[in-house]
Amino acid sequence: DTAVSQTPKYLVTQMGNDKSIKCEQNLGHDTMYWYKQDSKKFLKIMFSYNNKELIINETVPNRFSPKSPDKAHLNLHINSLELGDSAVYFCASSQEKSPMRGYEQYFGPGTRLTVT
Amino acid sequence: DAKTTQPPSMDCAEGRAANLPCNHSTISGNEYVYWYRQIHSQGPQYIIHGLKNNETNEMASLIITEDRKSSTLILPHATLRDTAVYYCIVKMVSADGLTFGKGTHLIIQP
Repeated sequence: DTAVSQTPKYLVTQMGNDKSIKCEQNLGHDTMYWYKQDSKKFLKIMFSYNNKELIINETVPNRFSPKSPDKAHLNLHINSLELGDSAVYFCASSQEKSPMRGYEQYFGPGTRLTVT
Repeated sequence: DAKTTQPPSMDCAEGRAANLPCNHSTISGNEYVYWYRQIHSQGPQYIIHGLKNNETNEMASLIITEDRKSSTLILPHATLRDTAVYYCIVKMVSADGLTFGKGTHLIIQP
């Protein structure tokens, strides 16, 4: 069973469109994340979310919004897509084991978004 | 989160131990050292983490110096499948995201 899954794996779309990427985790984790990896391979956190709070990286445009229908899913919605949004997007999840044990994050396989 | 410094690339012969260094001289007392790796075109994979003591699991060992200003990830018997970018990350225990640097591109040579 895949622990963290994402759909679609590839997404090609035109500028100005609105699209969504889905993420599901079957690990029972309470926190989920979205990361963006650009063409230079830099990985950056976009959002972290649990049932208590959403933490947003201040550099993320408000065209991006995470939506969580339930604890196992965190979908990424992108409005008015721009060329610069082309990247690989990774979903991840983690579970707090104890205040002293730290968080191990488990990543999905990624979604390669190409905006033309 | 404290800043980390890693060599951009390293080579290691297959079957030998791969030792990946990381400097984190500004680490604070409540920050953990995490190691992740990213194999080409895949999502990052958690390897190991520690606070003060050395740690070992089925994948690797983590050696943290007594002053905690540096650490070394050890892959005891490297295989070709260990070729990847390895990231050393220092952060407090919290449910916010990881800050990835440039990492070390480890190439295992046959």
